[in-house]
Amino acid sequence: DADVTQTPRNRITKTGKRIMLECSQTKGHDRMYWYRQDPGLGLRLIYYSFDVKDINKGEISDGYSVSRQAQAKFSLSLESAIPNQTALYFCASAVGGSGRYNEQFFGPGTRLTVL
Amino acid sequence: GESVGLHLPTLSVQEGDNSIINCAYSNSASDYFIWYKQESGKGPQFIIDIRSNMDKRQGQRVTVLLNKTVKHLSLQIAATQPGDSAVYFCAEFGSGNTGKLIFGQGTTLQVKP
Repeated sequence: DADVTQTPRNRITKTGKRIMLECSQTKGHDRMYWYRQDPGLGLRLIYYSFDVKDINKGEISDGYSVSRQAQAKFSLSLESAIPNQTALYFCASAVGGSGRYNEQFFGPGTRLTVL
Repeated sequence: GESVGLHLPTLSVQEGDNSIINCAYSNSASDYFIWYKQESGKGPQFIIDIRSNMDKRQGQRVTVLLNKTVKHLSLQIAATQPGDSAVYFCAEFGSGNTGKLIFGQGTTLQVKP
């Protein structure tokens, strides 16, 4: 079974709708991340969380919000989706602690299309 | 700001040949780099990493070279196989203890039979 899972895998929605993407990990990791990937570009960080009470903005957080419901769950919300949020979204997890270079394990991605 | 980039968006090689994928970075203070492989429909997977106190690191069929003088790193894949077809990203850890990865744009490796 996959260690990092994302639901849904594909979603088509309309402009203005609220969308939630969910991520779960079974690795017992403290750190979780949400990235966005656009064609021809690398992944860009939206939000990250070091634990349930520690949530931080990444480089492109505008238009997004997150919730860390439990150590294993980290959801990403688009409050009012717009077409330029059409992208591939990845969740990742990593061990916590003082280590700076903790390997991140990625989920399979969610393909979101906003019409 | 920090950025990483790859020289070529697409690389096509013959099966059995060696592949070299290049990446340039801009932050001379970066001290840790990772190569990821992303297959179609999947998330990125760790391939190999290298710290700035090293020039070269080898794995199974893969070698990463780091040239700090020109801020360049490369991924070499020996005896390229069809299963190596994927998008390859270099990434660096950003400053501070955030575990934030800064990704390059990616190179698509196509392996011809």
